[in-house]
Amino acid sequence: NAGVMQNPRHLVRRRGQEARLRCSPMKGHSHVYWYRQLPEEGLKFMVYLQKENIIDESGMPKERFSAEFPKEGPSILRIQQVVRGDSAAYFCASSPRGDPHFGNGTRLTVT
Amino acid sequence: GENVEQHPSTLSVQEGDSAVIKCTYSDSASNYFPWYKQELGKRPQLIIDIRSNVGEKKDQRIAVTLNKTAKHFSLHITETQPEDSAVYFCAASMAGANNLFFGTGTRLTVIP
Repeated sequence: NAGVMQNPRHLVRRRGQEARLRCSPMKGHSHVYWYRQLPEEGLKFMVYLQKENIIDESGMPKERFSAEFPKEGPSILRIQQVVRGDSAAYFCASSPRGDPHFGNGTRLTVT
Repeated sequence: GENVEQHPSTLSVQEGDSAVIKCTYSDSASNYFPWYKQELGKRPQLIIDIRSNVGEKKDQRIAVTLNKTAKHFSLHITETQPEDSAVYFCAASMAGANNLFFGTGTRLTVIP
């Protein structure tokens, strides 16, 4: 089992560009969670998805951020028109039922 | 919603000493309490967890205690080693709930 796979590991975007972060859950896991970690801070919940459904997006900013988990393929966290404040580590986690295992994260830098 | 507080934010101990990190939570419905270790630049890794039907759980040098009445739980590391240096996060959730609520982390430094 390869674990939770996230790519890219590092992503640099200029202000105003779009960022796409990918997450492939562990085999057999149908629950995917996205968390954001600002430097020197804890993990903040963003969104929880199951296949083709957003279950809880209470932690997602109202604008520019969206997430999906299609029937086939990885989960995608999409950030439109990035701003410097979006610079952070974005972690994906997956679980079969509720105790998540984390991927290695994508470190987004907005210049 | 759930609010998890974690103390201390930083902790330095001499190698071989014990380290204790404490967390409190607000929602009495929470019944799953994992602890994660995060080394610099790496992902959080689950090191131990406890569910509300158990008061204490131990795994070698690591133990976690839970007091549901007081709504607090603690991580205990004995015989600390330099490789224990990392940031530790506590979390709380309800079984089957959507997400984990994390504490703000404790940076543990073990001094050789």
